[in-house]
This record gives sequence, structure tokens and C-alpha cells, in this order.
Amino acid sequence: SQTIHQWPATLVQPVGSPLSLECTVEGTSNPNLYWYRQAAGRGLQLLFYSVGIGQISSEVPQNLSASRPQDRQFILSSKKLLLSDSGFYLCAWSEGGADTQYFGPGTRLTVL
Amino acid sequence: DAKTTQPPSMDCAEGRAANLPCNHSTISGNEYVYWYRQIHSQGPQYIIHGLKNNETNEMASLIITEDRKSSTLILPHATLRDTAVYYCIVRVLGGFKTIFGAGTRLFVKA
Repeated sequence: SQTIHQWPATLVQPVGSPLSLECTVEGTSNPNLYWYRQAAGRGLQLLFYSVGIGQISSEVPQNLSASRPQDRQFILSSKKLLLSDSGFYLCAWSEGGADTQYFGPGTRLTVL
Repeated sequence: DAKTTQPPSMDCAEGRAANLPCNHSTISGNEYVYWYRQIHSQGPQYIIHGLKNNETNEMASLIITEDRKSSTLILPHATLRDTAVYYCIVRVLGGFKTIFGAGTRLFVKA
């Protein structure tokens, strides 16, 4: 069966510091991968998606970037965090050609 | 992708059926209706999806009106663990962008 991992689970970072969140998927090949952000009490906002290694599409211009160095690895990064980057970051995957997205446990980021 | 409208919150007694409505009056013919739920501080969990016909799985039933402008998610016997935010989403099969609105916060009470 497929599993999706995210780490860290929680993170507190100062403003201006860099960020690296990692997501990995097991049990599938060539998945579509997604990064979402959820602000407190709000719905989910799609940030990036990827259909293959090195292929990244950005949905919202922002302070963040994403990379996919391996088939089942998706990384969310920032060079300098802003207060507004605080939130719950969720990684998701779907099978290529299928549509149901399966979410990871999330990373709660607090920027102080 | 079409937008959806859901009530902000609902209550349900434990053991009773929970019926969660969703309006999607601008849905296109090739857009599916998906339901997810999110328990506090966890990632969303897929529940069910459908295009035209009613669907049922081990978690819930999805009833889509004939004109497809609205749907209802039914949890047949709600338990306390079903307390969560339920999201109704419409999207094109194979499309990448999924718009999650505010959802319905369901409170199951003993």
C-alpha cells in the first residue's frame, strides 16, 4: 500500500531564516505531487504541483519554491521566511491519470 | 473549476445519519464532485467522489441531484470520531487545481 511522509511535524523558525520541508511517497511510481498551505481556520491553497522529476508548476506567486529531485520526493523551500509564511503545509499525491489526492500528515510552521 | 457552497457548521447526534449538503450550481459536465474531511491538525482524508450517479463506499454515500447542481454526503451512523471539517470540491478529472473552500464543520454529539 502507498504511504506519504512529511517532516518535520512542527517547526518554529525566525523571520528571515531559510526553510526546507520534505515529502516522500512510498509504494507508487511517478506520482503527481502537490504542496498546499492552510492558514489558521481557512481552506487549503494549492501552492505547487509536479507531474515528474524536475517538473514544477506554481499556482501562487510567493516567497516559496518547490523542487522534485527524485520521483517520490517533493521539497518545499524558502530562502527567507516571512511572518505570512506561517501555516499548516500539506503534501499530497495522486496516481498519474487518476484524480483522488491523498494527503500527508502535514507540517505546522510558525514564523516568529 | 466550479465553486461550491456549504453551510459553515452542522450538529449531529451520535448514531444518527449526518447529511451534509453542497451546492455547485455552476458545475460543468466534465467535473466530478469530491468529498474530503479533515480532522483537527491532520491532513485531509479522501471520502468519496462521483460524476452523475449516486455512490457508496465503506465510509459514506454520495447523492447527486439529477441536474448535478447539488449533492449530499451521508454518513449513515455518525460517531464522535466523525467530528471534522468536510470539504465538497468539484474538479475536472485529470485537472491539477483543487479548490478547497471553508467546508462544513460537523460536530457529532453524544
